[in-house]
Amino acid sequence: AQTVTQSQPEMSVQEAETVTLSCTYDTSESNYYLFWYKQPPSRQMILVIRQEAYKQQNATENRFSVNFQKAAKSFSLKISDSQLGDTAMYFCAFTTGGATNKLIFGTGTLLAVQP
Amino acid sequence: NAGVTQTPKFQVLKTGQSMTLQCAQDMNHNSMYWYRQDPGMGLRLIYYSASEGTTDKGEVPNGYNVSRLNKREFSLRLESAAPSQTSVYFCASSEDTGRSTEAFFGQGTRLTVV
Repeated sequence: AQTVTQSQPEMSVQEAETVTLSCTYDTSESNYYLFWYKQPPSRQMILVIRQEAYKQQNATENRFSVNFQKAAKSFSLKISDSQLGDTAMYFCAFTTGGATNKLIFGTGTLLAVQP
Repeated sequence: NAGVTQTPKFQVLKTGQSMTLQCAQDMNHNSMYWYRQDPGMGLRLIYYSASEGTTDKGEVPNGYNVSRLNKREFSLRLESAAPSQTSVYFCASSEDTGRSTEAFFGQGTRLTVV
């Protein structure tokens, strides 16, 4: 069975600094897709960044980047120049894709950006 | 540009009551999903539908039924609500292209069963 583990229930960072959120996963599949979703207090689920396992290059979206280590089954999210609006719950998610994109989620990391 | 719309946003039920959560998407997606979110457990898949007329169980289907009414709509029914079903429920949809694309989520329904 595929699993996703986020070992940091809560984290805190000062505004303008950099923070890294950890995620590991377990699968026997060779091709799959990984995501980071952000859930602010509004409860809306917002896609932050995605990574396709067959791509070796780490994905980047503005201040957000990932460190994808396929052999180690690790997928961490780095947030640079943290802003107050980054305060949210962050979920790591995994899917093998195919006929449906059923997502398996980690338990989440609550990030607080301090002024 | 509505995306995925869920109703209601909040609901309080008494134990044993029934209700249906409604979900509709306007993106012409084939696949639709129902997840529940509980503290410390992330989101867990209840049921999904790969296409109109088909539904399949996810990780936590007990106590729920679903209907894929047409390509746009996917409803979740609680026949006899229990306190253990107190949760936030999310509907989502995604395009079925054989490779993964973004899943779009509704705004969630906070359900309390007393």
